[in-house]
Amino acid sequence: DTGVSQDPRHKITKRGQNVTFRCDPISEHNRLYWYRQTLGQGPEFLTYFQNEAQLEKSRLLSDRFSAERPKGSFSTLEIQRTEQGDSAMYLCASSFGLNTGELFFGEGSRLTVL
Amino acid sequence: GDSVTQMEGPVTLSEEAFLTINCTYTATGYPSLFWYVQYPGEGLQLLLKATKADDKGSNKGFEATYRKETTSFHLEKGSVQVSDSAVYFCALITTQGGSEKLVFGKGTKLTVNP
Repeated sequence: DTGVSQDPRHKITKRGQNVTFRCDPISEHNRLYWYRQTLGQGPEFLTYFQNEAQLEKSRLLSDRFSAERPKGSFSTLEIQRTEQGDSAMYLCASSFGLNTGELFFGEGSRLTVL
Repeated sequence: GDSVTQMEGPVTLSEEAFLTINCTYTATGYPSLFWYVQYPGEGLQLLLKATKADDKGSNKGFEATYRKETTSFHLEKGSVQVSDSAVYFCALITTQGGSEKLVFGKGTKLTVNP
């Protein structure tokens, strides 16, 4: 299967701990997006990359959040000093070329902060 | 900013019933419009899209027409099946100000009973 893969699928952590999520996009896709989804809500944009360049960050992305895509392939999203409000599904998506809105999503990484 | 408003769910229908899920949008410029679907346990996937006024997107028996005059993009299907049970998200994309990201509605959960 050559779809978007995310790891881990589930993460339970204690408040104050750091967590890191990884996303492997479809190999020929140069754009990579991170979204956050909470229960009963639609996905909310966090940030996106074109190749290794981070082109936009949402105001939702506080200083505790950092995303990287060092070689323009996989990406990581790190959350430092987690808070209970960070509990959500973190979605990664990728696309090729100019953004036509046709994103390919992974199944998400669910974070639970106790 | 740009936004999408969907009808509140959940929606419960019997098999072969007619489906309408309302979606209206607010955007500057000329957005492209999308419906994404999330089946249980799976990632979001594009269902259909329309890129300009009066365009009709269609896929898997679903249709939606881009209505600029009413800023709407309602999803319809003439005869739903149990396998259509999922969460449906209306979304738009604009490129105003150099930003290129999908903006999603809150989603509408559809349950189809046999």
